[in-house]
Amino acid sequence: NAGVTQTPKFQVLKTGQSMTLQCAQDMNHEYMSWYRQDPGMGLRLIHYSVGAGITDQGEVPNGYNVSRSTTEDFPLRLLSAAPSQTSVYFCASSPGLATPTQYFGPGTRLTVL
Amino acid sequence: GENVEQHPSTLSVQEGDSAVIKCTYSDSASNYFPWYKQELGKRPQLIIDIRSNVGEKKDQRIAVTLNKTAKHFSLHITETQPEDSAVYFCAASVKKGNQFYFGTGTSLTVIP
Repeated sequence: NAGVTQTPKFQVLKTGQSMTLQCAQDMNHEYMSWYRQDPGMGLRLIHYSVGAGITDQGEVPNGYNVSRSTTEDFPLRLLSAAPSQTSVYFCASSPGLATPTQYFGPGTRLTVL
Repeated sequence: GENVEQHPSTLSVQEGDSAVIKCTYSDSASNYFPWYKQELGKRPQLIIDIRSNVGEKKDQRIAVTLNKTAKHFSLHITETQPEDSAVYFCAASVKKGNQFYFGTGTSLTVIP
C-alpha cells in the first residue's frame, strides 16, 4: 500500500493562477480531508468528504473547490491563487466513523507570489 | 464550530524528565481525541488517541487523559528522550462528518 499520496511536493504560482493539488489513497477509506498548515496556527480544515459524491466545507473553504468522483481521489482546486494561500497543504484519509484514525499524506508546499 | 486550545506553545525538558501538554475543547459533542507528532518537514503522525467513553489510555511512555466534564485532555510523555523533540498537536473530532479541529501545536525540545 502506498497509503496517502500527494502531488506535487512543491509548487510556485503567480497571483491569479489556478491549479489542482492531487490526493489519492489506496486504503479504500471513506473519509478524506484537506488541511492547510500555517506557522503558529496548527492545521485548519478546508474541505472534507464522507464518501464518493459527498463533500462539505470546513473552517477555511474560501478560494478552494473539491470534488470526490471516486473513493480513491480527492483533488483540491485553487481557483485564483492569492498570496494568502501560501501554505503547506495536507490531505488525510480515514476508514470512517467507526474508525476515525486519520492518515496524512506527505504534504504540498505552495508558494503564491 | 469546535474550538481547541493547546498549551504551552513551547516546552523544554531535560532528558529523562516528563512532559505534559494540555488541550481544551468547546463542543461537548466531540467524541474522539487524537494526538499527533510532527517532525520538521514531515507529515503529522498519530501517536495516541482516546475516545470519549474512556478516561485514560497508555502506550509505553505515552499516556492521554480525558476529562469530559471539564472538556480538557492531556498528553503525558515520561522518561523523555531527544528523539521525542518535535511539534505535538492535539485534535478533537466532531462525530458528524468526522471533522477534526486541531490545536495550534506545542514545540517540545528534549535537552540531552
